[in-house]
Amino acid sequence: AQSVTQLGSHVSVSEGALVLLRCNYSSSVPPYLFWYVQYPNQGLQLLLKYTSAATLVKGINDFEAEFKKSETSFHLTKPSAHMSDAAEYFCAVTVGDDKIIFGKGTRLHILP
Amino acid sequence: GAVVSQHPSWVICKSGTSVKIECRSLDFQATTMFWYRQFPKQSLMLMATSNEGSKATYEQGVEKDKFLINHASLTLSTLTVTSAHPEDSSFYICSASSGLEGMGGLYEQYFGPGTRLTVT
Repeated sequence: AQSVTQLGSHVSVSEGALVLLRCNYSSSVPPYLFWYVQYPNQGLQLLLKYTSAATLVKGINDFEAEFKKSETSFHLTKPSAHMSDAAEYFCAVTVGDDKIIFGKGTRLHILP
Repeated sequence: GAVVSQHPSWVICKSGTSVKIECRSLDFQATTMFWYRQFPKQSLMLMATSNEGSKATYEQGVEKDKFLINHASLTLSTLTVTSAHPEDSSFYICSASSGLEGMGGLYEQYFGPGTRLTVT
């Protein structure tokens, strides 16, 4: 069965520092993988997605993620954190024909 | 493009009453819509999947008689919480998918802003 695990429910980085949010997946078939961001009391916004093309995926706001099949990982990175990046981040994996399931989320805190 | 709206954005109702939440795709036709529930500081849990013109498919553990879903058109789905109780208080989020390759294919879902339901 497909599943997704996000390591670290809270991550704190200083403004300008590297952001690294970890996501590992389990899937019996080649997966599609997603990273979403959620600001307080709002819906989800797609940051980027992996759909079996390039393994290094670039998204909005300078975020990127690399699909590593050998490690079953899809970690999200950003070279330089900005205060506006403070939010909840969800990794997601496809399940079945059209559904996706979400990880438990990682709250990113940006320290001034 | 690909905007999904929800109405209302928040609602407070008394225990025992029913509440309807609307989800609309504003600039595309949504062949599939999804309803999620999110408790504070938790992840999204899929409640049901609905396809236009057919009955919704509910996830295990979701009471279909309590959470009525209607996907009447390619741009509108509604979730009705019947006989609401305080434990139904939550953040309800819908998403929509067109299934078209130009819009990300089957798996790309566009999310609404959510509806905060508080049952007193």
